[in-house]
Amino acid sequence: DIQMTQSPSSVSASVGDRVTITCRASQGISSWLAWYQQKPGKAPRLLIYAASSLQSGVPLRFSGSGSGTEFTLTISSLQPEDFATYYCQQANSFLALTFGGGTKVEIK
Amino acid sequence: EVQLVQSGAEVKKPGESLKISCKGSGYLFTTSWIGWVRQVPGKGLEWMGIIYPADSDTRYSPSFQGQVTISADKSINTAYLQWSSLKASDTAMYYCARQPARHYGMDVWGQGTTVTVSS
Repeated sequence: DIQMTQSPSSVSASVGDRVTITCRASQGISSWLAWYQQKPGKAPRLLIYAASSLQSGVPLRFSGSGSGTEFTLTISSLQPEDFATYYCQQANSFLALTFGGGTKVEIK
Repeated sequence: EVQLVQSGAEVKKPGESLKISCKGSGYLFTTSWIGWVRQVPGKGLEWMGIIYPADSDTRYSPSFQGQVTISADKSINTAYLQWSSLKASDTAMYYCARQPARHYGMDVWGQGTTVTVSS
């Protein structure tokens, strides 16, 4: 299996802050990485696919970058509705489309 | 509107069998993959497996191979996740989600089905 490691596991930030979350793959996955947002009691929501492509309807303050084994999700100016847990998922190997452990973005 | 609607919450005893469903609408069901994701209360997301309803090509995570069965009935736009003998450790929320293409992400999610296994 390809292992996905996210860091940090949690981050405290204020409205307006720039937040960056990192996801590392245990082996190269080209650009086949997705990012999701999940709020308590809700299903996840796709934010980014193919490492840097913004899913339709997702605000432009979200962006993704990276390739190979290291990827980042950046929220350029944190808004109140962005406090949630974020997950990465590798989409390279259909043997197991593994998720990262999650990063909780909390209010400072 | 593209949506996936899952069957309702289930409460079962250990050893019982269960089949939950995920019905797609608003798009051509046979042109996308349907995946299943487990979330244990308070924990992260775990990818279980995926099926292509057009030909029932199915892939399982090694962690779930042999523990569950994924199937689909394209005539009624429905995918299924089933257990033959539930364990307490199967207690979780289960989501189905659409994956439009192999390297894409899961772009449309069902509302989730809570499965509680308790004696």
